[in-house]
Amino acid sequence: DPKIIQKPKYLVAVTGSEKILICEQYLGHNAMYWYRQSAKKPLEFMFSYSYQKLMDNQTASSRFQPQSSKKNHLDLQITALKPDDSATYFCASSQGQANTEVFFGKGTRLTVV
Amino acid sequence: GEKVEQHESTLSVREGDSAVINCTYTDTASSYFPWYKQEAGKSLHFVIDIRSNVDRKQSQRLTVLLDKKAKRFSLHITATQPEDSAIYFCAAIYNQGKLIFGQGTKLSIKP
Repeated sequence: DPKIIQKPKYLVAVTGSEKILICEQYLGHNAMYWYRQSAKKPLEFMFSYSYQKLMDNQTASSRFQPQSSKKNHLDLQITALKPDDSATYFCASSQGQANTEVFFGKGTRLTVV
Repeated sequence: GEKVEQHESTLSVREGDSAVINCTYTDTASSYFPWYKQEAGKSLHFVIDIRSNVDRKQSQRLTVLLDKKAKRFSLHITATQPEDSAIYFCAAIYNQGKLIFGQGTKLSIKP
């Protein structure tokens, strides 16, 4: 029974369009993250949130905007999509942000054509 | 800047033998070092971690060693089995829970 739910599992988007990747966690964690995995960069940290507040942003482009409407939600909105955005996006969560196990969702595989 | 180097990109061992994957990190402030396993097309599955207050941790066939002076840590898998075949990622934690990952090691277990 997955405790971190990511939707959709697969997503194909047209260049220039906008998509939202959904993430919900049912582990009771207060910290949530987004990571990206592509052929060019294996596993790359994007954002961290704690108690629904942005703690760290390593994504240079403002086209990537996390959205936290509830404590256990951290969606990722991507605008003006480019083929280079094609990757698998993993949502993750942890209890606290120091020295604690981080759990990963199954990922959303995004292909931009 | 923050960096984790994973030295072996591929590793092939015979079933029953041991496998060792080595990583180094740059930030002396790092205090938590997890390892993850990723099977083809799947997500990351936590396998073991070590905190900087110890230099060794064992869980069944897995052992992690940490050398803080050399800023190096390693994953040792004994009595390897076919189901150990996967990509293994080492990581180090930085500010605000950020994990910096190594490039991954594809471990193949030969019969």
